[in-house]
Amino acid sequence: AQTVTQSQPEMSVQEAETVTLSCTYDTSESNYYLFWYKQPPSRQMILVIRQEAYKQQNATENRFSVNFQKAAKSFSLKISDSQLGDTAMYFCAFMNGKLIFGQGTELSVKP
Amino acid sequence: GAVVSQHPSWVICKSGTSVKIECRSLDFQATTMFWYRQFPKQSLMLMATSNEGSKATYEQGVEKDKFLINHASLTLSTLTVTSAHPEDSSFYICSAAKDGSTNEKLFFGSGTQLSVL
Repeated sequence: AQTVTQSQPEMSVQEAETVTLSCTYDTSESNYYLFWYKQPPSRQMILVIRQEAYKQQNATENRFSVNFQKAAKSFSLKISDSQLGDTAMYFCAFMNGKLIFGQGTELSVKP
Repeated sequence: GAVVSQHPSWVICKSGTSVKIECRSLDFQATTMFWYRQFPKQSLMLMATSNEGSKATYEQGVEKDKFLINHASLTLSTLTVTSAHPEDSSFYICSAAKDGSTNEKLFFGSGTQLSVL
């Protein structure tokens, strides 16, 4: 069975600075997708970024980028120029037929 | 596009009653939908995978007779919590896979907060 581990329950960062959220996963599959989702206090799940495992190039979406290390089964999220609106729970997720979430990291961006 | 509507947003019910939660894909067909449960400050736990026209596939530890899932059309899946008890109080979220491909990104409903008194 696949598992997703986020070892940082809470993180904080100063506005405009950069923060990296960690995620590791375990799978025997070779083809899969990885995601980072944001869940603000409204609890609506918002897709931040998506990575196909067969692509070596790291995905980037504006201020958000990932460091995907397939051999190490690591998928970290870097948020650059952090903004107050980035304050939320962030979930790493693995998908191969069904979407499995990590435990989450609560990120606080401080002014 | 790609909107998933989930209703109700919140519901309060008495212990022993049943509650139905609807999940609709408004502008796309969804062969597969997923149901999650989330406790405060915790992650989303996958409960079951709902496939149109067939029986749902439940995750280990999820009682299929308690959490009834029906996916009668390509745009609607329902979760019925039967004989609800206070321990069933939780936030329930559905998601839908567009175009029947479960490896495409999923679209999430806004969730249902269930409180059982």
